[in-house]
Amino acid sequence: NAGVTQTPKFRVLKTGQSMTLLCAQDMNHEYMYWYRQDPGMGLRLIHYSVGEGTTAKGEVPDGYNVSRLKKQNFLLGLESAAPSQTSVYFCASTSGLAGAQEETQYFGPGTRLLVL
Amino acid sequence: SQQGEEDPQALSIQEGENATMNCSYKTSINNLQWYRQNSGRGLVHLILIRSNEREKHSGRLRVTLDTSKKSSSLLITASRAADTASYFCATDGYGQNFVFGPGTRLSVLP
Repeated sequence: NAGVTQTPKFRVLKTGQSMTLLCAQDMNHEYMYWYRQDPGMGLRLIHYSVGEGTTAKGEVPDGYNVSRLKKQNFLLGLESAAPSQTSVYFCASTSGLAGAQEETQYFGPGTRLLVL
Repeated sequence: SQQGEEDPQALSIQEGENATMNCSYKTSINNLQWYRQNSGRGLVHLILIRSNEREKHSGRLRVTLDTSKKSSSLLITASRAADTASYFCATDGYGQNFVFGPGTRLSVLP
């Protein structure tokens, strides 16, 4: 039982390049989340999903897209990377059984992204 | 705008001392959670306290919630070097969301 995994662990991009971050969970969780963490800012929600095939915007969605084609995977895409997207990205999931805000969020180890 | 905000931003104590960090929030909540983040790692859930609870314990952790003051505190007793980490409070957001504060960086010196 690996929990929540993220790939890659670290990536360097040039401005304008695109990439996809993959999050996978093996806990059969319904809800999945993408956050970014910047120094002094805590975690900010980018997008989230309450089930397979659904996505919704969070607090800072601009410049990102997501897809949830399979229940266990949640992909975060950067179409045209900008230096402002340099950050550490975390994926998380909850089962959704009790209502997401009643539950523990399980986090992945993070992806460190540097955009030059 | 952030719902929760931890205080202090940073805290440095000696091993064996108690560490107290606070979280203040702006709007009414259903529950509040505390998470720990070791350097370079993901967040790990510590404890959840519901709006109708005033105090909760888990091992060396004690969490209190004062809904009239819109604040919560996390007390770590008899701290250890391994408690060195950042601590975040998370509150209800809109929809199925959580809102995290900027965190308190705790350093426990041996």
